[in-house]
Amino acid sequence: DAGVTQSPTHLIKTRGQQVTLRCSPKSGHDTVSWYQQALGQGPQFIFQYYEEEERQRGNFPDRFSGHQFPNYSSELNVNALLLGDSALYLCASSRGIRRGQETQYFGPGTRLLVL
Amino acid sequence: ELKVEQNPLFLSMQEGKNYTIYCNYSTTSDRLYWYRQDPGKSLESLFVLLSNGAVKQEGRLMASLDTKARLSTLHITAAVHDLSATYFCAVDRTSGSRLTFGEGTQLTVNP
Repeated sequence: DAGVTQSPTHLIKTRGQQVTLRCSPKSGHDTVSWYQQALGQGPQFIFQYYEEEERQRGNFPDRFSGHQFPNYSSELNVNALLLGDSALYLCASSRGIRRGQETQYFGPGTRLLVL
Repeated sequence: ELKVEQNPLFLSMQEGKNYTIYCNYSTTSDRLYWYRQDPGKSLESLFVLLSNGAVKQEGRLMASLDTKARLSTLHITAAVHDLSATYFCAVDRTSGSRLTFGEGTQLTVNP
């Protein structure tokens, strides 16, 4: 049973560019959440997708957008990259957002460096 | 706004010793999680605590939850070098929703 997968593993971009990160959830999971983890800090919630809609959003600007596909996989897009966007981007999946659902399982992450 | 605080942020301990990491959170929450992160790696789920008084143990790690005090502890018994990592606690207000993480406790176990 494959866990959460993310691609690419590493990425280098320059300021002003745009980037797309991808995530495939764990088998049987239908909810995907994205987190940004800056060096030496805890992960910060970006947004969550369920049934192809953004259900919750953290305190991130509109430069951060996402999408969920019918197969539950998800993309995170970041436009007009800033140096401060350099971080580890983590995708987490879970089974639904109803009460009593299980813990979120994290993927290996995509490390983004903006120069 | 939900806030989660961990202490200590840095912990250096000798093999064989015991220690406790504390996690305080500011508002009522459905569940509390403990994760482990090795350098450059993702988060590994350790424990999920669902109710007041919950206690879970795995190997040398034991986690507990006091919802009235809004406090969770991660107790390390007879530490070994392999436990060296950063440990995060995280809280969600309703199950399946966004996680709010603490700053992490960087644990180093020295021979």
